[in-house]
Amino acid sequence: EAQVTQNPRYLITVTGKKLTVTCSQNMNHEYMSWYRQDPGLGLRQIYYSMNVEVTDKGDVPEGYKVSRKEKRNFPLILESPSPNQTSLYFCASSLSGQLPSYEQYFGPGTRLTVT
Amino acid sequence: ELKVEQNPLFLSMQEGKNYTIYCNYSTTSDRLYWYRQDPGKSLESLFVLLSNGAVKQEGRLMASLDTKARLSTLHITAAVHDLSATYFCAVALDYQLIWGAGTKLIIKP
Repeated sequence: EAQVTQNPRYLITVTGKKLTVTCSQNMNHEYMSWYRQDPGLGLRQIYYSMNVEVTDKGDVPEGYKVSRKEKRNFPLILESPSPNQTSLYFCASSLSGQLPSYEQYFGPGTRLTVT
Repeated sequence: ELKVEQNPLFLSMQEGKNYTIYCNYSTTSDRLYWYRQDPGKSLESLFVLLSNGAVKQEGRLMASLDTKARLSTLHITAAVHDLSATYFCAVALDYQLIWGAGTKLIIKP
């Protein structure tokens, strides 16, 4: 089944404790992206990657890192989480890496709480 | 800086009625996307609009794009309860996507 998977789905952690949220897609997609969703703000793009060689910042990259060592995986790393990073996080992928001219497929989401 | 505004942000309507959700954006772009999100769920792609004048329809939903006016509309015809959800538009700027705040649509029987 074609899908985007994220793990964990739910995470409660404490300020400053490094964490990684994994994202994997099995559709051979070039483009991958991370978003955070907060009430009343819609989605905001954190980082995106057009292909394995190219990764760039989105709207709200501060406090986050990403890695794209292979096409299928795009982990999101929070080196020192803070309470303002409490949010719902979505990973997404799209066929085209040149331009996001295709629909994006979203993972199920990861609800992160930082206390 | 690209800004995307949706209106209304909240819409409660009766089954069988027609209504339109508007998505305005502030900078030139010819790629616009509509997504649906059910409560507690992930996002589902509805439409990809890639050129001025593009119109796409799926069931009771029809989306259009006017790049000159920087406006996209999502029209709902003869609404049914199953269309209750939050609808988002997103506009592409180079390789980034900028999202509207979403329109929460409640359709009452």
